[in-house]
Amino acid sequence: NAGVTQTPKFQVLKTGQSMTLQCAQDMNHEYMSWYRQDPGMGLRLIHYSVGAGITDQGEVPNGYNVSRSTTEDFPLRLLSAAPSQTSVYFCASSYGSHADSPLHFGNGTRLTVT
Amino acid sequence: GENVEQHPSTLSVQEGDSAVIKCTYSDSASNYFPWYKQELGKRPQLIIDIRSNVGEKKDQRIAVTLNKTAKHFSLHITETQPEDSAVYFCAASKPNNNDMRFGAGTRLTVKP
Repeated sequence: NAGVTQTPKFQVLKTGQSMTLQCAQDMNHEYMSWYRQDPGMGLRLIHYSVGAGITDQGEVPNGYNVSRSTTEDFPLRLLSAAPSQTSVYFCASSYGSHADSPLHFGNGTRLTVT
Repeated sequence: GENVEQHPSTLSVQEGDSAVIKCTYSDSASNYFPWYKQELGKRPQLIIDIRSNVGEKKDQRIAVTLNKTAKHFSLHITETQPEDSAVYFCAASKPNNNDMRFGAGTRLTVKP
């Protein structure tokens, strides 16, 4: 049972480039989400999904897209990277709603946009 | 939306002492309050959580207390050990709302 797996671990992009951060979980969790972590700001929700085919915006969705074609996978796409998107990104999943269930986090992706 | 404030931002204690981290929340409808521990370079991991129908919960050396009237909750770590050194995050969420809000984090250092 690998839990939540994120790739890549590190990434450097130039402004304007696009990329996809991958996230997969093998716990059959319905709920998945993406957070960004910035110094002094805790974890902020970007997008989340309550099941395959269903996604919704979180607190800071601008500049990011998501899709949920399967229960296992929840990729995060940066369409045109900006320096403000330099951050550590965490994918998380939970068995029940994020509103009242423990989150299981991946190991994170450290993204630098120059 | 919900706003969660966490204090202090840094905390240094001597091994064996107690540590207390406090959080306040703004939305009285919030009813789930987890605490996550993040060691350096690692993922956040749940250490304890509390729901609004109880005022206190303990798990060995850690405990969380909740004051719904004042809208604040606290993490208490007793007999601290160097391996307790990490960043601790509090969070709060409302029923049927997946937008859990996190505090800014507290960096706890336990000196041997």
